[in-house]
Amino acid sequence: GAGVSQSPSNKVTEKGKDVELRCDPISGHTALYWYRQSLGQGLEFLIYFQGNSAPDKSGLPSDRFSAERTGGSVSTLTIQRTQQEDSAVYLCASSPFNDGYTFGSGTRLTVV
Amino acid sequence: EDQVTQSPEALRLQEGESSSLNCSYTVSGLRGLFWYRQDPGKGPEFLFTLYSAGEEKEKERLKATLTKKESFLHITAPKPEDSATYLCAVQETGFQKLVFGTGTRLLVSP
Repeated sequence: GAGVSQSPSNKVTEKGKDVELRCDPISGHTALYWYRQSLGQGLEFLIYFQGNSAPDKSGLPSDRFSAERTGGSVSTLTIQRTQQEDSAVYLCASSPFNDGYTFGSGTRLTVV
Repeated sequence: EDQVTQSPEALRLQEGESSSLNCSYTVSGLRGLFWYRQDPGKGPEFLFTLYSAGEEKEKERLKATLTKKESFLHITAPKPEDSATYLCAVQETGFQKLVFGTGTRLLVSP
C-alpha cells in the first residue's frame, strides 16, 4: 500500500480483556517499530523488528505485552489482561533503512 | 539515559511571524536527530534527519539546524496550515529506537 496501515483505528475494551492491534507496513520496508503515545507524554518505544533478526523488546512495559511479525511483513501487538493504564494511542512505523520512518495513523485504545 | 527536551511547550504566532522551536538533547553518541510534524488524530509525519553538528536542511518554510547539544526548527513566515505539534527525536549510535521529546504545539493565526 501507499502508507502504513493500522487496524482498528479505535478500540474500546473492558479491563482484563486481551486485545490485538495490527500493523501493515509499507511493502519492502524491513524495519518495523511499535510506539505508544499517552496524553501529554512523548512517544514511548515498545519494540523493533528488523528483517529476520531477533526483535528488540526492551521497551515492552510488562510481560502482558507481546508482538510478532509474520513473514517479515504484517505485525500484531497483543496486550493481555488489559489495564486502564494501557489506554493510549499505539503507533506503528516502518522504514527501509532505519531512517525516515513512516508512521501509521495509530490505534486509539481505551480500557474501561 | 537519552534525554530530549523541547521548548516551548506551546507557541502561538501570527501569520507571517517567524520563530524557532528548540530541541535540547543528551546522548552518548548521536546517530541522527529527527523532526516530525503531527496533526491531531494522525501519526507523525517525517520532516528531516540531521546527522552532524553544523548540518542544515530546509523544506518550504521550515529549516532545521543542529549543534552538539541542540537543534532548532526555524519557521519563516508561517501560515495557518503550519499549525501542528512538532516532535523532535534522537537516535543513539548502536541503537535502533528513537527517543522522542514531548513536542511543541504550534498555532498560527491568520
